[in-house]
Amino acid sequence: DARVTQTPRHKVTEMGQEVTMRCQPILGHNTVFWYRQTMMQGLELLAYFRNRAPLDDSGMPKDRFSAEMPDATLATLKIQPSEPRDSAVYFCASGLFLGGGREDKNIQYFGAGTRLSVL
Amino acid sequence: AQSVTQLDSQVPVFEEAPVELRCNYSSSVSVYLFWYVQYPNQGLQLLLKYLSGSTLVKGINGFEAEFNKSQTSFHLRKPSVHISDTAEYFCAVSYGGTSYGKLTFGQGTILTVHP
Repeated sequence: DARVTQTPRHKVTEMGQEVTMRCQPILGHNTVFWYRQTMMQGLELLAYFRNRAPLDDSGMPKDRFSAEMPDATLATLKIQPSEPRDSAVYFCASGLFLGGGREDKNIQYFGAGTRLSVL
Repeated sequence: AQSVTQLDSQVPVFEEAPVELRCNYSSSVSVYLFWYVQYPNQGLQLLLKYLSGSTLVKGINGFEAEFNKSQTSFHLRKPSVHISDTAEYFCAVSYGGTSYGKLTFGQGTILTVHP
């Protein structure tokens, strides 16, 4: 059963430390999304990639957050330096989006998330 | 701006009762609609989707939703809920075009089913 894999599942760190979260999308999917979930803001889209190219990272604080796709099987989200307000659950999702009216695959599949606590 | 409004933040119901979770979205020519469910400490799982065709869509676990273009609504229903349906439910919309695939989520509705 194909699934999106996120590591680590939990991360506790101290303010100022670097945090790296990893995501392995489902094989064959061409689009990867990063979301952040908090009680106050709900689900926020941070960034997304199509065919490894960044399409939109307007939801991401640029000064401390960075997202990359080194290859088709790995997406990373990095926070440097981390702050207590970054504490949240970070989700990765992937999907196959073909466009051009071929919308039958228009579904995002979510990983189980990384729960980040910055002390 | 694109927006999704889930009208109820919490919905308590008794087991075997019917339930409706309400969702409204900002209007657009091309829209795709989704309901996702999130169980505690898990990621989001797709319940059902509307892409085109019949306005009544059926999903997993006995849920269904109706797309109403004139009302810009996509309410989720289940005729008889179980304890295991207790979870948070998210309505989401994708507007197609150059940002196809990008989802805008509502704030979520926590459904609590009581015995």
